[in-house]
Amino acid sequence: EVQLVESGGGLVQPGGSLRLSCAVSGFTFSGSWMHWVRQAPGKGLLWVSRIYFDGSDTIYADAVKGRFTISGDNAKNTVYLQMNSLRVEDTAVYYCARSDGDGYNFFDLWGQGVLVTVSS
Amino acid sequence: SYELTQPVSVSVALGQTATITCVGTDIGSKNVHWYRQKPGQAPVLVIYRDIHRPSGVPERFSGSNSGNTATLTIDRGQGGDEADYYCQVWDSRTRTIVFGGGTKLTVL
Repeated sequence: EVQLVESGGGLVQPGGSLRLSCAVSGFTFSGSWMHWVRQAPGKGLLWVSRIYFDGSDTIYADAVKGRFTISGDNAKNTVYLQMNSLRVEDTAVYYCARSDGDGYNFFDLWGQGVLVTVSS
Repeated sequence: SYELTQPVSVSVALGQTATITCVGTDIGSKNVHWYRQKPGQAPVLVIYRDIHRPSGVPERFSGSNSGNTATLTIDRGQGGDEADYYCQVWDSRTRTIVFGGGTKLTVL
């Protein structure tokens, strides 16, 4: 079965760090872009970051640039999001998602999401 | 940065046609994708590249895109169509992905 499974969420204090993981099964990274998209409680979707399957290209939204780092481990079929200097406004459900390498940048596969709560 | 504007809410009578718009500067020159999200669930792709339906999405769902407006149309609205709908594009200038604010569809 093709699926994405996120883990690593939880409660963290402002200024703290957290690392999210997205385990891929049923397909390989090759030729794919892997993304993180977040959704604050009661709010809309906000794209966070993406990485090409070979790690050769990464991009970040302005809201997280300099604080978050996306990475991937092809051997483990896992994508990571290292989140540092967390702020209350980073509280959200974080989804892992896939887009094909065809350049059209739409998400044809999503994980179930993991909740990150930043609070003192 | 590029912005996409959607109506906050749209209502449609059972069995009628729902139209959800997504407005952006010269959006007709971009590829627009649409997602449906039900409460507590992850988004699901319903239209990609303006007009294409993924396998499993009913033919009742269709899309169009021209000028400054992209449109998602849902024919013969059903209770199961109630959800939040989001449009999305790739902004080649900033190399980022942009979502619209989302539209809550209610079937009366």
